[in-house]
Amino acid sequence: EVQLVESGGGLVQPGGSLRLSCAASGFTLSDQYMDWVRQAPGKGLEWVGRTSNSYTTEYAASVIGRFTISRDDAKNSLYLQMNSLKTEDTAVYHCVRQYELWGQGTLVTVSS
Amino acid sequence: DIQMTQSPSSLSASVGDRVTITCRASQGIRNDLSWYQQKAGKAPERLIYAASSLQSGVPSRFSGSGSGTEFTLTISSLQPEDFATYYCLQHNLYPLTFGGGTKVEIK
Repeated sequence: EVQLVESGGGLVQPGGSLRLSCAASGFTLSDQYMDWVRQAPGKGLEWVGRTSNSYTTEYAASVIGRFTISRDDAKNSLYLQMNSLKTEDTAVYHCVRQYELWGQGTLVTVSS
Repeated sequence: DIQMTQSPSSLSASVGDRVTITCRASQGIRNDLSWYQQKAGKAPERLIYAASSLQSGVPSRFSGSGSGTEFTLTISSLQPEDFATYYCLQHNLYPLTFGGGTKVEIK
């Protein structure tokens, strides 16, 4: 089955770090461009960043210098390393394959 | 950044109604636009890509049109399962940007 499954969310204090994972199955992740998209509780969708099939990355201004997207082709997985977290980073984080296939998301709560 | 202005932000409609949702881009984005449907507690699902192409498996009552700065999603005959929130996404330029969403509710 073709799917994306995120994990790694949880409660973290402001200033803390968290690493999200996105496991791909049914396709080869390295062939695709992959995005992270987040949704704060009760709010709309916000693009976080992308890694392309040539391993270049792009980020939203709000996360530049704090978030890093990476991939492990051997594990067919995508990652989002989040540092210096702020309360406004609280959201469900989805990985997305080429705008089409979305994971169910993992909730990140930044609170003291 | 390209701003995507989506309207209306919400609407009430009845089963069988024709529904139109609009996204306006702050600058031309060719046809680099997708439409998504999101139901409560679920991930978004793509309905339309390249502004007017129907995603495989999506009912034909959904259609998209437009190019440049003005885009429309139309539901020709609203069904009970269509009550949801809809978003547009431009992917012409970084940062990718979404419209604010349109919540379609039962009248």
